[in-house]
Amino acid sequence: EADIYQTPRYLVIGTGKKITLECSQTMGHDKMYWYQQDPGMELHLIHYSYGVNSTEKGDLSSESTVSRIRTEHFPLTLESARPSHTSQYLCASSSWSSYNEQFFGPGTRLTVL
Amino acid sequence: QQPVQSPQAVILREGEDAVINCSSSKALYSVHWYRQKHGEAPVFLMILLKGGEQKGHEKISASFNEKKQQSSLYLTASQLSYSGTYFCGTGADGLTFGKGTHLIIQP
Repeated sequence: EADIYQTPRYLVIGTGKKITLECSQTMGHDKMYWYQQDPGMELHLIHYSYGVNSTEKGDLSSESTVSRIRTEHFPLTLESARPSHTSQYLCASSSWSSYNEQFFGPGTRLTVL
Repeated sequence: QQPVQSPQAVILREGEDAVINCSSSKALYSVHWYRQKHGEAPVFLMILLKGGEQKGHEKISASFNEKKQQSSLYLTASQLSYSGTYFCGTGADGLTFGKGTHLIIQP
């Protein structure tokens, strides 16, 4: 079944650790996105990609980095986690032909102690 | 530029109607609407792509006024399942979302 997956779903980690949040989709979509969302608040775009080897920064300044080596995979990395990075991270994807309708993964809830 | 949503919150009884507005200070070429239930990911409702366009999804419909740079989401005869936070989003690629409208439906 075509879907979008995120792992881990929950992560509690200490300050200074390097972490990678995984996002994969089996829908054959070219475009992928990362959003950050605090509880009860709006989503903020932090990165997006048009396809393989394409990455762009979003509206919200972020200390994270992304890569897009394979169409289906769009991992997000924090080199040194800080308590200010505590949030929910949502991955999404869309095709070129669907007028940008975005499909969201279940999210990773990150807590940095 | 972040779109502005109003109202911030609505409490309705089952069967009542609601309108959620989304406006922008920038020219709008498309407006997206999503609903997010507590603890879940946002789910796509509809996209409006040109001025004056109206779309419907069951008893949820939306309009897009390009001149006024605004869109409205209409929920008719609301059901308990409509509870959640509604977001409008604008943008050509990644979306810029409004702050959301929290909708609570009471039996």
